[in-house]
Formats: sequence, C-alpha cells, structure tokens
Amino acid sequence: NAGVTQTPKFQVLKTGQSMTLQCAQDMNHNSMYWYRQDPGMGLRLIYYSASEGTTDKGEVPNGYNVSRLNKREFSLRLESAAPSQTSVYFCASSIRDTSGNTIYFGEGSWLTVV
Amino acid sequence: AQRVTQPEKLLSVFKGAPVELKCNYSYSGSPELFWYVQYSRQRLQLLLRHISRESIKGFTADLNKGETSFHLKKPFAQEEDSAMYYCALKVYGQNFVFGPGTRLSVLP
Repeated sequence: NAGVTQTPKFQVLKTGQSMTLQCAQDMNHNSMYWYRQDPGMGLRLIYYSASEGTTDKGEVPNGYNVSRLNKREFSLRLESAAPSQTSVYFCASSIRDTSGNTIYFGEGSWLTVV
Repeated sequence: AQRVTQPEKLLSVFKGAPVELKCNYSYSGSPELFWYVQYSRQRLQLLLRHISRESIKGFTADLNKGETSFHLKKPFAQEEDSAMYYCALKVYGQNFVFGPGTRLSVLP
C-alpha cells in the first residue's frame, strides 16, 4: 500500500548539474502532478499530466521538463540546476471517485542547489 | 482567475482554545474545496473536503459561497494539531490550486 513514492528524498546539486526526480503511484490514478513548496509561497504547480501520454505546464514550469513514462510513473527533470530551484518537491496523483476528487501526495524531495 | 488566499501565515493559540483558519477563494465555476494538513516533515494529507460535510479530528469547515470562504474550525485545539494547513480548490479538469498555507502552533 505504497501510494505515491518519490526518489530521491534528499539531493544536493551544484549549479548547472542535471538530475531527475522519479515518482510512481500504485493507485491506478490517471492524473499526476509535480509541485514545489517554498516558504510563504505554498504549493505551486510545475507540471501536470491528466493522463498517460499528456503533459501540461503549470504555474512555474521554467527550468523543468517532465515525462509521463506510463500510467504509474511521472518524472521531473532539471536540465541545468539553479539556486532558485532549491525547494521541496512533491509528486502527487489524483482520482475522481464516489467521494469526489482527492489528490494524494508523496513524501517530498528536498533539493538544494549550491 | 482562480485563486486561494489564506491571510494568516502563522496562527498561535493555547491548548483548549478555539481555532479558526481562514480561507477565501475566487473561482467562476462551482467550487470544490479541501483542507490538507502537513505535520512536520511529512507528506500533505487530506483533512476534509466540503463535499463530504464531515468532521475529522474535531475539525469542521463550511463552504460559504456568498463570502467565497471555507474556513477551518475546531472548538478546542490540541497540541497535536500543530501543523501546516493548506486550503485547496479544485479547478478545471483535475487541477488543484493551493493557498500559501497557515502554520498553526498550539501552545501548552
């Protein structure tokens, strides 16, 4: 009963380095998301994927790319990391069921760019 | 444009006191609102949603369409309620807009 799992949990990057955050969900959800969480800013949507094979930009997409590899997996890539990308990243997935809409979150990935 | 505001960044109350965390929204469609809670260094978890009209951990929230508000209330705060609280609005498709969050600190 893992829910949404994301890796790595902690990462330190040098400016200009690249990395990929991995996310997988085992709840058979169609929609998946990447958010970043910054103090005083709350959660801001980076990218989302309404279904397998589709991705769309959110509020703060610059500097990021995503891949919806299959229904389970949605990765976030930083091609050339910048200090402004220091943040906590949350992957999430959602479903609409008889109770309404619910979004489920991963545990977060703490990224520091130096 | 759709937006969620939470005017208080930090709210401190004493144990046993009532607590109200404010949330206002702007959305032209029919709103679907949620409260999420994040305990220290943990993932965000659903606390409650307006569509269910439920009470979780003693918390309730009522949607007031006239005032475009969805304030979270608890009559007697407990120390374990200390956490970050986010109000969220489901918008078009399966997208969710989150407020900036309110940190609740319940003092002994």
